[in-house]
Amino acid sequence: AQSVTQPDIHITVSEGASLELRCNYSYGATPYLFWYVQSPGQGLQLLLKYFSGDTLVQGIKGFEAEFKRSQSSFNLRKPSVHWSDAAEYFCAVGEGYGNKLVFGAGTILRVKS
Amino acid sequence: DTGVSQNPRHKITKRGQNVTFRCDPISEHNRLYWYRQTLGQGPEFLTYFQNEAQLEKSRLLSDRFSAERPKGSFSTLEIQRTEQGDSAMYLCASTSGGTLNIQYFGAGTRLSVL
Repeated sequence: AQSVTQPDIHITVSEGASLELRCNYSYGATPYLFWYVQSPGQGLQLLLKYFSGDTLVQGIKGFEAEFKRSQSSFNLRKPSVHWSDAAEYFCAVGEGYGNKLVFGAGTILRVKS
Repeated sequence: DTGVSQNPRHKITKRGQNVTFRCDPISEHNRLYWYRQTLGQGPEFLTYFQNEAQLEKSRLLSDRFSAERPKGSFSTLEIQRTEQGDSAMYLCASTSGGTLNIQYFGAGTRLSVL
């Protein structure tokens, strides 16, 4: 079965510092990969997606992610974190004909001033 | 688009009671998904509809759970004889389908079973 691993449960960064959130997936074919963000009491908002083509994808709010097939990774990055980025981040892979999403357990980002 | 709407936002019930949640997808989205999210976990797939047809159900969806999407518009998720283990956030998502399957999520219904 397909799976997604987010190794870091919590990450704390200083405001203005760079950020990298790790994601590893297990999937036999070419994966459809997503990063979502969830703020308390809110639904999931799509940050970015990878389907094919350029392995470096740009998303909203200044986020980017790089697909590395050799490492089965899709890490999320941001060069300078803002306090409003504090939230929980989920990596997901689209699976099967219906492309249901398989999510990782999430990484909680804390931003200190 | 008004986005995916879920009602109620919160539901508190006693063990053994039945509950029903509603999801209104983005208009003209033909696929609708239900996920369940427990504390400290990512969302887990429950079921999905293509128009009014329920095409896949997870083994997480026990016999006490039933979902419908009459006329291919809104969907309901019913849980019968609720148990404390059913306490979770229930998320709905919709998409227009096709290859670029970008799912748009509602804010969820948080269920607490006492």
